[in-house]
Amino acid sequence: GAGVSQSPSNKVTEKGKDVELRCDPISGHTALYWYRQSLGQGLEFLIYFQGNSAPDKSGLPSDRFSAERTGGSVSTLTIQRTQQEDSAVYLCASSAPGRRKNSPLHFGNGTRLTVT
Amino acid sequence: TQLLEQSPQFLSIQEGENLTVYCNSSSVFSSLQWYRQEPGEGPVLLVTVVTGGEVKKLKRLTFQFGDARKDSSLHITAAQPGDTGLYLCARTVGGTSYGKLTFGQGTILTVHP
Repeated sequence: GAGVSQSPSNKVTEKGKDVELRCDPISGHTALYWYRQSLGQGLEFLIYFQGNSAPDKSGLPSDRFSAERTGGSVSTLTIQRTQQEDSAVYLCASSAPGRRKNSPLHFGNGTRLTVT
Repeated sequence: TQLLEQSPQFLSIQEGENLTVYCNSSSVFSSLQWYRQEPGEGPVLLVTVVTGGEVKKLKRLTFQFGDARKDSSLHITAAQPGDTGLYLCARTVGGTSYGKLTFGQGTILTVHP
């Protein structure tokens, strides 16, 4: 389909392991975002990419979290040494070119991460 | 603060009933977005309101932006089971020109047939 694609849809990992979450944005969308959705905290902003650079990483919870984007397209969110509090749904969103504040975000279906 | 407070947190109604969901903040916001999210899926944008006092209609859904731009409401007329889902309001974080959003905690709506 033409929507934002995320993989895997579900990931169960043991505490202390590293995980990689992938996002394929809508073709042509230069802006890409990662959000996290958890029961206690709701939906929280993690990081924003414009092209391959990340001008806003202010939402990353700790230095265990990192993200990159290559070719202005696919993005990977990496969580090192996972902790139980990292369990959440990680959502990726993209938006069309332009710097309009109200450019709509198109969300993927998320990756549900469970740390045991 | 740029926090958004949504109420009620849960709403369980019968098909055909009307309902209103509220989104409030202590600070003025330039625009507000409403999203709907179904289980296992990402949020989908329903509407963006930008002007104080603005009213937008989307079939049976009516969105209102308060005159002072500190509050918004979503009213659903004659709710149907297909309206079931999580409704979220969101605002752009002040000072940013991109999609960095602060979300309310959401309202879980269940419409029973």
